[in-house]
Amino acid sequence: SQTIHQWPATLVQPVGSPLSLECTVEGTSNPNLYWYRQAAGRGLQLLFYSVGIGQISSEVPQNLSASRPQDRQFILSSKKLLLSDSGFYLCAWSVLLTGTPRTQYFGPGTRLLVL
Amino acid sequence: KNQVEQSPQSLIILEGKNCTLQCNYTVSPFSNLRWYKQDTGRGPVSLTIMTFSENTKSNGRYTATLDADTKQSSLHITASQLSDSASYICVAESGGSYIPTFGRGTSLIVHP
Repeated sequence: SQTIHQWPATLVQPVGSPLSLECTVEGTSNPNLYWYRQAAGRGLQLLFYSVGIGQISSEVPQNLSASRPQDRQFILSSKKLLLSDSGFYLCAWSVLLTGTPRTQYFGPGTRLLVL
Repeated sequence: KNQVEQSPQSLIILEGKNCTLQCNYTVSPFSNLRWYKQDTGRGPVSLTIMTFSENTKSNGRYTATLDADTKQSSLHITASQLSDSASYICVAESGGSYIPTFGRGTSLIVHP
């Protein structure tokens, strides 16, 4: 069966510090990978998605970046965090199967607080 | 622009009561309508999914309906339980697109 891991679960960082959040997927090959941010009381905001190694699409201009160094690894980074980067970060994966809807499976999330 | 609107924004009900959550979508081309349940501090989990040709889909006490003509969907929860307290997110999926369109969710609180 497939599983998705995110770490850390919680992170408190000072403004201006760097960020690295990691997401890994097990039990599937060549998944589509996604990074979402959810601010308190708000909906899910798509940040990045990737359809393959080294292929990253950005949906929202910001001081965040994403990388996919391996097929099942997705990393969200920042060189300098802003207060507005605080939120709940969710990684998700999906696989296109012919004739079936593409379900997104979400990880447990990382709660980031920038002070 | 693809959009999904959900109502109400929040809802408080007593345990054992029924409730209905609403979703209006504008997505083209439309292929699927999905409802997720998100417990506080957790990732969303898919509850139901309907293709454009389906009108209703059930998952235990959860029943989703879809009217593709009016571009509306509803999620009905029967005999609510305390564990139903969560955010319910409506998602419209477009054929051929990697990116679904998420609603902001309805926050449901079930009181004993």
